[in-house]
Amino acid sequence: RKEVEQDPGPFNVPEGATVAFNCTYSNSASQSFFWYRQDCRKEPKLLMSVYSSGNEDGRFTAQLNRASQYISLLIRDSKLSDSATYLCVVNVAGNMLTFGGGTRLMVKP
Amino acid sequence: DTGVSQDPRHKITKRGQNVTFRCDPISEHNRLYWYRQTLGQGPEFLTYFQNEAQLEKSRLLSDRFSAERPKGSFSTLEIQRTEQGDSAMYLCASSLGSSEIYGYTFGSGTRLTVV
Repeated sequence: RKEVEQDPGPFNVPEGATVAFNCTYSNSASQSFFWYRQDCRKEPKLLMSVYSSGNEDGRFTAQLNRASQYISLLIRDSKLSDSATYLCVVNVAGNMLTFGGGTRLMVKP
Repeated sequence: DTGVSQDPRHKITKRGQNVTFRCDPISEHNRLYWYRQTLGQGPEFLTYFQNEAQLEKSRLLSDRFSAERPKGSFSTLEIQRTEQGDSAMYLCASSLGSSEIYGYTFGSGTRLTVV
């Protein structure tokens, strides 16, 4: 079992739609969680941290479910510019972060 | 420049040759990480430095790979006797203190093609 798993997609949604991605992680002792965004052939960039109580940043909402060991990312009112790969990132062990394989989102006009 | 800088951006090499990549982290960041990413996959951890000390190495880092951070500032990643399977994007990231709290900042990466 992979340490961090994501549905690779692609998720094809129309502009204005709401879309949600889930990610599961294997180590119940994990303490830190993030979502990164990666555009084609570019480096990953931090989108948002995920806090235990859930958190929101504009159209983006991240939630953590420790009991089921998953995190989620909800994007409301999708824009064309949201098209990218979204990487789930977990501090599984030690001082480094473990990345999922990414979920590809395509927002269509 | 306040970001993480990697050089070169692209490298094409023949199988069997040695290659070296450089990473300059954000100046005040004491932690530096190397990751490798192949097409359609997420970044995979290779190694991590705190200042000049190499504290963790992945089992992905075979004997042909070596990384250094001699003065706790820039880092180099060398691949000896390159193989076609080494073709990937090599990403460097840095963080100040606890990356598990603040996440990383990545450089633009070095794309290696072994022919």
